[in-house]
Amino acid sequence: DVKVTQSSRYLVKRTGEKVFLECVQDMDHENMFWYRQDPGLGLRLIYFSYDVKMKEKGDIPEGYSVSREKKERFSLILESASTNQTSMYLCASSRGGQPQHFGDGTRLSIL
Amino acid sequence: LAKTTQPISMDSYEGQEVNITCSHNNIATNDYITWYQQFPSQGPRFIIQGYKTKVTNEVASLFIPADRKSSTLSLPRVSLSDTAVYYCLVLGKGGYNKLIFGAGTRLAVHP
Repeated sequence: DVKVTQSSRYLVKRTGEKVFLECVQDMDHENMFWYRQDPGLGLRLIYFSYDVKMKEKGDIPEGYSVSREKKERFSLILESASTNQTSMYLCASSRGGQPQHFGDGTRLSIL
Repeated sequence: LAKTTQPISMDSYEGQEVNITCSHNNIATNDYITWYQQFPSQGPRFIIQGYKTKVTNEVASLFIPADRKSSTLSLPRVSLSDTAVYYCLVLGKGGYNKLIFGAGTRLAVHP
């Protein structure tokens, strides 16, 4: 069974902090994704990666960066957290065009 | 990406069969139909995927007519734990997919 693990379920940070969200998958998937989910806006893609050290911008990359140094790990970085980045963050992974498998999410609050 | 339309909400009772229909009029030849389930405060969970006719797994069945312009997710004998939001997506098989989750169908199962 595919396991996508996000480092924290809940996180509270302050405005201006640099925030790291970590995601690890155990199925040797080449594709990894970061989404945020907000009420009324659905799931929106922030960044994705199709290989180690490769990354592509999604629909809402502003204010975020990512890092993929190892195949199993994909990190999302909020360079300088702002209150409008309070959200549920979801990591997913997939092999090729196969269905994506999600982690349980990190509910991030920026105060 | 093909746009999908599904009911906003449905109600059912324990033990009943639930059918959720999704329309996708402009589905492309190489698109697959994929369903996800999401519980509150959790990431979406892949349920089933199909291309045509019928697909069945241990959780659900997916019925796709010959024209593929719609599909029906069938949940046999639902229980209270099936209360969730169900999303229908149409995805290409190659490479990687940017998932676009609409509002989904909020299923409430009552005792």
